[in-house]
Amino acid sequence: GNSVTQMEGPVTLSEEAFLTINCTYTATGYPSLFWYVQYPGEGLQLLLKATKADDKGSNKGFEATYRKETTSFHLEKGSVQVSDSAVYFCALASGSARQLTFGSGTQLTVLP
Amino acid sequence: DAGITQSPRHKVTETGTPVTLRCHQTENHRYMYWYRQDPGHGLRLIHYSYGVKDTDKGEVSDGYSVSRSKTEDFLLTLESATSSQTSVYFCAISDLARVNTGELFFGEGSRLTVL
Repeated sequence: GNSVTQMEGPVTLSEEAFLTINCTYTATGYPSLFWYVQYPGEGLQLLLKATKADDKGSNKGFEATYRKETTSFHLEKGSVQVSDSAVYFCALASGSARQLTFGSGTQLTVLP
Repeated sequence: DAGITQSPRHKVTETGTPVTLRCHQTENHRYMYWYRQDPGHGLRLIHYSYGVKDTDKGEVSDGYSVSRSKTEDFLLTLESATSSQTSVYFCAISDLARVNTGELFFGEGSRLTVL
């Protein structure tokens, strides 16, 4: 079956530091890959996505590249801000109903 | 923001009592989902709906039932709540164009505590 593995958190960084959150996946076929973000007290919202191999998704300074050869979709940002503090979920969509499979989430805290 | 309202937002109940959570949308989206969020597990799919009266089970459906009698409402029922069902429950919606790429819009969540 499908599965998503994320690096364990929590991750604590200083403002302007470089961020990487690792994500690897197992899936049949050709899944679409996503990063969702959950700010405190809110529901998840889509941050970025990539639908085929070598695609790069980007939004709000975050980016991730769909690497089929390494089955990875690592999230990166060159300079984090305090407002980026949130929980980040890697996810994939595959199958006829396009159900999402989520990773366990990575808590990011950015200190001023 | 997508128009999704979950109710109640917080509920405390006792083991063995029935509980119903409601998800209401104003987007006329075809697809609706119920997920639960637990530490270390991320989000897991409970049930989903692909149209009025059309529902299917997800990964963790045992102990839950759903109903969708109209497009805008998707109800999640715990017939007899157990402490293992203490969780945060999220409703999500999607339309036909986005569901094929897995893009969902989430509600703000309902926190359920079963004592």
